Amino acid sequence: GAVVSQHPSWVICKSGTSVKIECRSLDFQATTMFWYRQFPKQSLMLMATSNEGSKATYEQGVEKDKFLINHASLTLSTLTVTSAHPEDSSFYICSVAEQFFGPGTRLTVL
Amino acid sequence: GQQVMQIPQYQHVQEGEDFTTYCNSSTTLSNIQWYKQRPGGHPVFLIQLVKSGEVKKQKRLTFQFGEAKKNSSLHITATQTTDVGTYFCAGPYAGNNRKLIWGLGTSLAVNP
Repeated sequence: GAVVSQHPSWVICKSGTSVKIECRSLDFQATTMFWYRQFPKQSLMLMATSNEGSKATYEQGVEKDKFLINHASLTLSTLTVTSAHPEDSSFYICSVAEQFFGPGTRLTVL
Repeated sequence: GQQVMQIPQYQHVQEGEDFTTYCNSSTTLSNIQWYKQRPGGHPVFLIQLVKSGEVKKQKRLTFQFGEAKKNSSLHITATQTTDVGTYFCAGPYAGNNRKLIWGLGTSLAVNP
């Protein structure tokens, strides 16, 4: 299966700042990557589909201007949480080839 | 809208007991996938079932896909403490089979 990395693994930031999360596919060229959010003891919620070389497709209710996605190459997609607020604190996970997940990034906004 | 339901939400067992989690979809699925997420970890793909009535085994784990392709189950025989975690089922969205819709998961706790 595909090997996926994420960076950082955890981040703490102040309210109002922006945070960038990287998702790398180490051994698989991914034209599509998926970004999920998971709140404690809840299921995964798909946020958006990241498409290499084109705009991301966002799920209903996800603000595209707040969660900026860039998929500039076949191995890298980034998610930027802009003007983060405490309610954005969550576990952000990317996946490649639908089934292979990165280790996740735990975001805490103070 | 399309939904995937999973029961039970939590299950506590003594080590050595069996465990089963059930997954039901509101729509027919082209396939169903099962994942395990350890506490603090990320989902790890376990298996994909495609055929109606399919049964697959992985050591102590038995996966079934219903005849109507709307329900599935995961059964663990003689649980061990290493089985602790949350088990999720997921199926493709109707109309876009690259996106997954997830069940709420079943959290398994095993008492040694």
